[in-house]
Amino acid sequence: DQQVKQNSPSLSVQEGRISILNCDYTNSMFDYFLWYKKYPAEGPTFLISISSIKDKNEDGRFTVFLNKSAKHLSLHIVPSQPGDSAVYFCAASRTGNQFYFGTGTSLTVIP
Amino acid sequence: GAGVSQSPSNKVTEKGKDVELRCDPISGHTALYWYRQSLGQGLEFLIYFQGNSAPDKSGLPSDRFSAERTGGSVSTLTIQRTQQEDSAVYLCASSPGRGNTIYFGEGSWLTVV
Repeated sequence: DQQVKQNSPSLSVQEGRISILNCDYTNSMFDYFLWYKKYPAEGPTFLISISSIKDKNEDGRFTVFLNKSAKHLSLHIVPSQPGDSAVYFCAASRTGNQFYFGTGTSLTVIP
Repeated sequence: GAGVSQSPSNKVTEKGKDVELRCDPISGHTALYWYRQSLGQGLEFLIYFQGNSAPDKSGLPSDRFSAERTGGSVSTLTIQRTQQEDSAVYLCASSPGRGNTIYFGEGSWLTVV
């Protein structure tokens, strides 16, 4: 049973435009959410997090939005750069427990 | 080192052999996780250690898989009688504690032939 879902396996965006990656979860007890970026043959690297007490967190070009009522979070990258091309994973946990990961969205930023 | 360290980085083994994968977490991190990613798949949770608490083993796919964490630091994931479907990258991660960001190592790439 997939508790965290990323329904778009891939996304292509023009350089300079906004990339929006989406993630849905089923467990209303989740209270901490993370986004990771993964290049081939490397481990995932942490991008940005958000706790359930917030609905937005921003770090440079990256912004994560959380809609608790819809059990939905999204990652916005603006402006998108070719170096952003990677697989993006969202993850969710209930504090003190394991993290559940989505299946990833492969982002391609076209120069 | 500054990050999570995993060894070996690559391992090719024959079907039926046992393998051990090692993880050195970031110093001072009390939580340690093992995940795996098979080709074309997402990150699959395997096991979670938090301090001195009993580990959450709910993700281990079969009794051929086991893990231990000695002295609250280094962890070893053991796969007995490896099968071809065990081929994957095994990722270790650690975090400072509950409710914190987890940081991944580079992974151990296991190929069972």
